[in-house]
Amino acid sequence: GAVVSQHPSRVICKSGTSVKIECRSLDFQATTMFWYRQFPKQSLMLMATSNEGSKATYEQGVEKDKFLINHASLTLSTLTVTSAHPEDSSFYICSATTLLDPGLTDTQYFGPGTRLTVL
Amino acid sequence: AQSVTQPDIHITVSEGASLELRCNYSYGATPYLFWYVQSPGQGLQLLLKYFSGDTLVQGIKGFEAEFKRSQSSFNLRKPSVHWSDAAEYFCAVEALQTGANNLFFGTGTRLTVIP
Repeated sequence: GAVVSQHPSRVICKSGTSVKIECRSLDFQATTMFWYRQFPKQSLMLMATSNEGSKATYEQGVEKDKFLINHASLTLSTLTVTSAHPEDSSFYICSATTLLDPGLTDTQYFGPGTRLTVL
Repeated sequence: AQSVTQPDIHITVSEGASLELRCNYSYGATPYLFWYVQSPGQGLQLLLKYFSGDTLVQGIKGFEAEFKRSQSSFNLRKPSVHWSDAAEYFCAVEALQTGANNLFFGTGTRLTVIP
């Protein structure tokens, strides 16, 4: 149980275009989802936290107009990188957690990540 | 402020040897503690977690970790390493014990396994 998927697994786009990344909880209802960014050989940097049906809470230094997060249902959150530039190239990982299943609370379950390359 | 330290950036062990990955945290109360493993190009997989109770916790893939309050440590161990264990290992701390809260990650330890 507690499987999280991401789509696409990798994407290449041109500078100036927008890219949408999906994060889905497959076998549980995710009341909270997190979006992380990971640079090569580095740890994960939390970008934002989103609760289902609410606006996302962004970490300091993360541009909310550039990284649009939507968590419209208990199984889906999306991250849209708007007007992408080469410096946005990175590995984006989502995670999900739930308050609805006592066996899964207080633990984040991670997706497999999305490799974004902006040319 | 909360922080997590993994002092070893890179560890190399021989297949079949024992392994210990160190993790120290800084937090005012007893946090929730996690170890995750990341294979190249992949997301993070939960190995084990400690919330309360028995300070020695068992995880998947033969891993275990011991919470030592006096040392603010949560070291990960495995008695016999397999080549497939080569990966990046992250220790993480959840700062608050209510609901789904932020994880603070260490910088990771890269494990290389040699035949």
